[in-house]
Amino acid sequence: QVQLVQSGAEVKKPGASVKVSCKASGYTFTNNAIIWVRQAPGQGLEWMGWISAYNGNTNYEQKLLGRVTMTTDTSTSTAYMELRSLRSEDTAVYYCARDYGGSHCDYWGQGTLVTVSS
Amino acid sequence: DIRMTQSPSSLSASVGDRVTITCRASQGIRNYLAWYQQKPGKVPQLLIYAASTLQSGVPSRFSGSGSGTDFTLTISSLQPEDVATYYCQKFNSAPQTFGQGTKVEI
Repeated sequence: QVQLVQSGAEVKKPGASVKVSCKASGYTFTNNAIIWVRQAPGQGLEWMGWISAYNGNTNYEQKLLGRVTMTTDTSTSTAYMELRSLRSEDTAVYYCARDYGGSHCDYWGQGTLVTVSS
Repeated sequence: DIRMTQSPSSLSASVGDRVTITCRASQGIRNYLAWYQQKPGKVPQLLIYAASTLQSGVPSRFSGSGSGTDFTLTISSLQPEDVATYYCQKFNSAPQTFGQGTKVEI
């Protein structure tokens, strides 16, 4: 069965970086893109960007440009999201999700809580 | 960028009621719309994709309709387990923006 398993919770200081992993199993990793979504406490879902696991092409939310990098490692079927220059407003649960055919996200990771605090 | 606006932001209804949530796109997105349900403290779950296709395993009381700029999610008979926040998401092009969410209570 399809599974996306994310790395564990992180606590970071302002200005630091965080790298969240998302290990896929149960399907051919390169057949689908991965979307990253975050959710601040008590807030809605925010799309962060998209990466093709086939060729590594990316598309990022404009307001995160320059601070976010999404990558994949096809040898381990793992996607990564790195966010730099962290601010308190980046405190959120970060999700990866499988993009099925550019139509919907059908499987989601369990979420990774990133807390930014001095 | 295309904005996605949901209404209402929250609603309270009784068990058995018919509930309708609206999602409006600021520009046409054909039928490239998905709906998700997120229960408190849980991961979002796909309900509907391509505006009206029910995801496998989702109860038939959920349905979606619309095309272009106006979309609806309908729960035909609200059940206690449907208490959640519902989000729409556009997929015609990046950014794949979400609506702000509609909280459904009983």
